[in-house]
Amino acid sequence: EAQVTQNPRYLITVTGKKLTVTCSQNMNHEYMSWYRQDPGLGLRQIYYSMNVEVTDKGDVPEGYKVSRKEKRNFPLILESPSPNQTSLYFCASSDSQETQYFGPGTRLLVL
Amino acid sequence: AQSVTQLGSHVSVSEGALVLLRCNYSSSVPPYLFWYVQYPNQGLQLLLKYTSAATLVKGINGFEAEFKKSETSFHLTKPSAHMSDAAEYFCAVKGYNFNKFYFGSGTKLNVKP
Repeated sequence: EAQVTQNPRYLITVTGKKLTVTCSQNMNHEYMSWYRQDPGLGLRQIYYSMNVEVTDKGDVPEGYKVSRKEKRNFPLILESPSPNQTSLYFCASSDSQETQYFGPGTRLLVL
Repeated sequence: AQSVTQLGSHVSVSEGALVLLRCNYSSSVPPYLFWYVQYPNQGLQLLLKYTSAATLVKGINGFEAEFKKSETSFHLTKPSAHMSDAAEYFCAVKGYNFNKFYFGSGTKLNVKP
């Protein structure tokens, strides 16, 4: 089954404790992206990647890092999480930079 | 920079009534336009997309949207609402020459029996 998976689905952490949210797709897509969803703000793009080793900032990259060492994986790294990064995070992938396929989401709470 | 405006954060309709969800975009170049639906506790699912072919785009579950360049609009419609249509709907835009996607703030659709 073609899908985008994210782990963990739910995460509670404390300020400053590094964490990684994994994202994996099995569709051989070149384009992958991370978003955060906040009430009243819709989805905002954090980072995107057009291929292995090619990444660029979206609209809200501050406090986040990404890497793309393999085509199928695109982890999101929070080196020092803060409470304002409490949000719902979505990973997405696309083969043509048009239609995106979204993962199920990761709900993060930073205390 | 591009932006997307969805008028009405909450829309309520009766079952069987017309659904109209509004989306306006700002773009200096003809864009790709999308509507996504999000059911509770799920990710986003593509409803339909406009990619410069026909201006009236048909999607899944009986939804359609019309691209109107003169109005910079891409409103989503469905002739007859069903209870299962209750969800949050997002309009999104991407320019031809850009790799960034921009989403509206979303519209929650409530369908009353």
